[in-house]
Amino acid sequence: GQQVMQIPQYQHVQEGEDFTTYCNSSTTLSNIQWYKQRPGGHPVFLIQLVKSGEVKKQKRLTFQFGEAKKNSSLHITATQTTDVGTYFCAGITSGTYKYIFGTGTRLKVLA
Amino acid sequence: DAGVTQSPTHLIKTRGQHVTLRCSPISGHKSVSWYQQVLGQGPQFIFQYYEKEERGRGNFPDRFSARQFPNYSSELNVNALLLGDSALYLCASSPGDLGNTIYFGEGSWLTVV
Repeated sequence: GQQVMQIPQYQHVQEGEDFTTYCNSSTTLSNIQWYKQRPGGHPVFLIQLVKSGEVKKQKRLTFQFGEAKKNSSLHITATQTTDVGTYFCAGITSGTYKYIFGTGTRLKVLA
Repeated sequence: DAGVTQSPTHLIKTRGQHVTLRCSPISGHKSVSWYQQVLGQGPQFIFQYYEKEERGRGNFPDRFSARQFPNYSSELNVNALLLGDSALYLCASSPGDLGNTIYFGEGSWLTVV
C-alpha cells in the first residue's frame, strides 16, 4: 500500500542552526500538508502544497513540493526553542479521501 | 469561533469493554475524519464521513465503527477493546471532502488496561 516516509527520524540542533526534514511518498500525491505536533498536543496545520515544484514560505519556514509530486521538504532557518516538536507531512492521492501521514521528524533545539 | 471539539479528553477502559468517542466539527464543516495515533507514530486514518455518508475506511478491524449525525457531529465506536487500542484518537474536520485542509481536535486519550 501507499507509504510516506520521513527522514530523519530525530534531529537535535543548536539554537540558531538550520533544520530540514524530507518526506517521500511511494505514490504521486495530489497535495501534501505539513503539521507540527508539540509533545502532548495534537497536530497543528502549517501549510498545504498543491502544485508541482511549489515553494511556500512562512517566516523562517520554507516548504517545497517536488516536481514529480512524490516528495516534499520543510526547512527551518535559524531554529528557535519554540520550534521543538514533531513535524509530520501528510499526503493525499487523487480520488481518495484519506491522508497518509509520514513517520514524523522529532526536532529538539538545544539552547 | 470554536475549533474541533472532542470528548472525553481522557478515559481508561478495561479489555473487552466498549468505548464511544465524540467529535463536533468546526461550524460549517461537513466532513469529519478519525485518526488513531499510537505514541511515537504518525496518525493513522480510520474513517472519513462527508454529509453523513462513509467516504473512506482505513485498515482497521470491524470492531471500529463510526457515524455522522445530521448536525455533522460524529461518534467513533470501538468494541471488544484490546490493549493495543490504547492511543490518541483524533478527529479532524474539513469544509468539503476531497483534498481539503483538515483541522484536528485535541484528541481523546484512550488507555486500555
